[in-house]
Amino acid sequence: GAGVSQSPSNKVTEKGKDVELRCDPISGHTALYWYRQSLGQGLEFLIYFQGNSAPDKSGLPSDRFSAERTGGSVSTLTIQRTQQEDSAVYLCASSFGTSGGTYEQYFGPGTRLTVT
Amino acid sequence: AQSVAQPEDQVNVAEGNPLTVKCTYSVSGNPYLFWYVQYPNRGLQFLLKYITGDNLVKGSYGFEAEFNKSQTSFHLKKPSALVSDSALYFCAVRGPSMNSGYSTLTFGKGTMLLVSP
Repeated sequence: GAGVSQSPSNKVTEKGKDVELRCDPISGHTALYWYRQSLGQGLEFLIYFQGNSAPDKSGLPSDRFSAERTGGSVSTLTIQRTQQEDSAVYLCASSFGTSGGTYEQYFGPGTRLTVT
Repeated sequence: AQSVAQPEDQVNVAEGNPLTVKCTYSVSGNPYLFWYVQYPNRGLQFLLKYITGDNLVKGSYGFEAEFNKSQTSFHLKKPSALVSDSALYFCAVRGPSMNSGYSTLTFGKGTMLLVSP
């Protein structure tokens, strides 16, 4: 595909359940990012991958959140024991090179997570 | 710490009129500045960026932005607005890389642009 893809597009889950969100970056992009977008809150940085390693996990809001990236490509964001405050749109982005470079990030369409 | 401010939650403009969406930033060192647009139920799309050089940057869909170092601003502009420009606009800044070769991209809270027919 030409762009960043994310699945599922929508996810409704019950409080306390675990969820997995998937991101498939643009081929050849070595940097991958996860953000959370809540209504009226802008974009909240969660985690950054360079290849398969995560130099910056500082944005993960709690230890219920984790992410991995395998083969330098697909990434999965996992939220354990979901809470209602986890409801948001989760956006994935990818870019060439390192995050310290001048490259723009390309975003996927997002996964809308609703915790009931 | 770096930060971005978009002082207007919403900007209203009539079609055909010029538009400006404001952005100011705070960062140590020379900034890298970006504008993104988000249409309803879509991800963010890159519009333009300032890295170095000419202070006036031209981007997609007829948008441009002017980097003003003394005012630490990077306002987004378009000479003639279209109804289809109605969307949520985000400004973002990245500071110089740390020794790790990495620096974060910080986004503003977004400005909703509404263009009326």
